[in-house]
Amino acid sequence: GQQVMQIPQYQHVQEGEDFTTYCNSSTTLSNIQWYKQRPGGHPVFLIQLVKSGEVKKQKRLTFQFGEAKKNSSLHITATQTTDVGTYFCAHGGGGNKLTFGTGTQLKVEL
Amino acid sequence: DGGITQSPKYLFRKEGQNVTLSCEQNLNHDAMYWYRQDPGQGLRLIYYSQIVNDFQKGDIAEGYSVSREKKESFPLTVTSAQKNPTAFYLCASSHPGVRRYEQYFGPGTRLTVT
Repeated sequence: GQQVMQIPQYQHVQEGEDFTTYCNSSTTLSNIQWYKQRPGGHPVFLIQLVKSGEVKKQKRLTFQFGEAKKNSSLHITATQTTDVGTYFCAHGGGGNKLTFGTGTQLKVEL
Repeated sequence: DGGITQSPKYLFRKEGQNVTLSCEQNLNHDAMYWYRQDPGQGLRLIYYSQIVNDFQKGDIAEGYSVSREKKESFPLTVTSAQKNPTAFYLCASSHPGVRRYEQYFGPGTRLTVT
């Protein structure tokens, strides 16, 4: 499947700081999904983006799909300790399959 | 409550033994998936099934087998041929159609083989 690279691998922030993770592909993606996995937990679906330049917001989370549909980002404003976890982007392909990025592990310090 | 159950949460086996991981869903989803996650890494697809009595290999199917005899159930067998079976195994399901990439995950099974 199409490869999606995610950066950074780790991010430590102080509570209240902003956080951004990026998902990049060398080829055009038809869609991007974002998932969150809490430590010791399982991935939970956050959102799907399908349109070029699409921006969606969920409270303090802002999701973007690039104009060329080769990259996506997740931005968290004013992080809280509840934001701790690993954030994955995933691309959906044939056969309903998802190809996951490597994830960005977010740690939030008080 | 609708959801996906996986059992057991932790599983310990000796090398050379086959082991079967359970996955059951009551979400009435057609598609089911098995992923493997290694520490600090992403999810890799082992097998998936879009309909009862049909399944396809994912990216890392070697050493694994599955069956899909019922819509609700998609058990995964880790065989002795799997070279590095110790991992976190996650089962997921989804509806077909526009929400097909919105996958619902079970709590996972941590398998340790020594």
